[in-house]
Amino acid sequence: QSALTQPASVSGSPGQSITISCTGTSSDVGSYNLVSWYQQHPGKAPKLMIYEVSKRPSGVSNRFSGSKSGNTASLTISGLQAEDEADYYCCSYAGSSSYVFGTGTKVTVL
Amino acid sequence: EVQLVESGGGLVKPGGSLRLSCAASGFTFSSYSMNWVRQAPGKGLEWVSSISSSSSYIYYADSVKGRFTISRDNAKNSLYLQMNSLRAEDTAVYYCASVPRGGGQFDPWGQGTLVTVSS
Repeated sequence: QSALTQPASVSGSPGQSITISCTGTSSDVGSYNLVSWYQQHPGKAPKLMIYEVSKRPSGVSNRFSGSKSGNTASLTISGLQAEDEADYYCCSYAGSSSYVFGTGTKVTVL
Repeated sequence: EVQLVESGGGLVKPGGSLRLSCAASGFTFSSYSMNWVRQAPGKGLEWVSSISSSSSYIYYADSVKGRFTISRDNAKNSLYLQMNSLRAEDTAVYYCASVPRGGGQFDPWGQGTLVTVSS
């Protein structure tokens, strides 16, 4: 299983919206609505931000939203805030209880 | 409070072995699939292994198949990872994480335990 492809970095000014793409294949992202997104601050464990493509766990800001089209999933952060600066990883179920993560995207708030 | 706490990491020589543990609390451990995910220094996340709630189904990433063994003890709310024939490329922070039945998301995660394979 090859890692899902994400842009290495995305940046935006406070208040702006940014979108992170996550491109897989018809064997993972394209086959299952089990795409999730994780936020990771330096030295910390990942935190679930979006699951099942577009669902938000309790406690996660509604500024975070997810979508999917074909083999590509996307995470949008609206109203960018300083605390959103972190690494973000997508993840897809890939069958037989296996999973594949994205390459990771560093979000910088300018 | 839902919590996962990993332990057992450390420095080990290439070819050596190590056993990681993950203690769960605050949720019905026996109802969840459990997983190990690792992150090499400065690198991304990599799924390592999963075990179903009753241990009936076990899967491994190709990179660790034949060397690592996942297991669990539902009576002790604990997850384990036996790592043998360790290589330098196994150096990483190892996280345990749960996946709900029918779901595909990792939540919660433990704080991680660092495994360093070096001579």
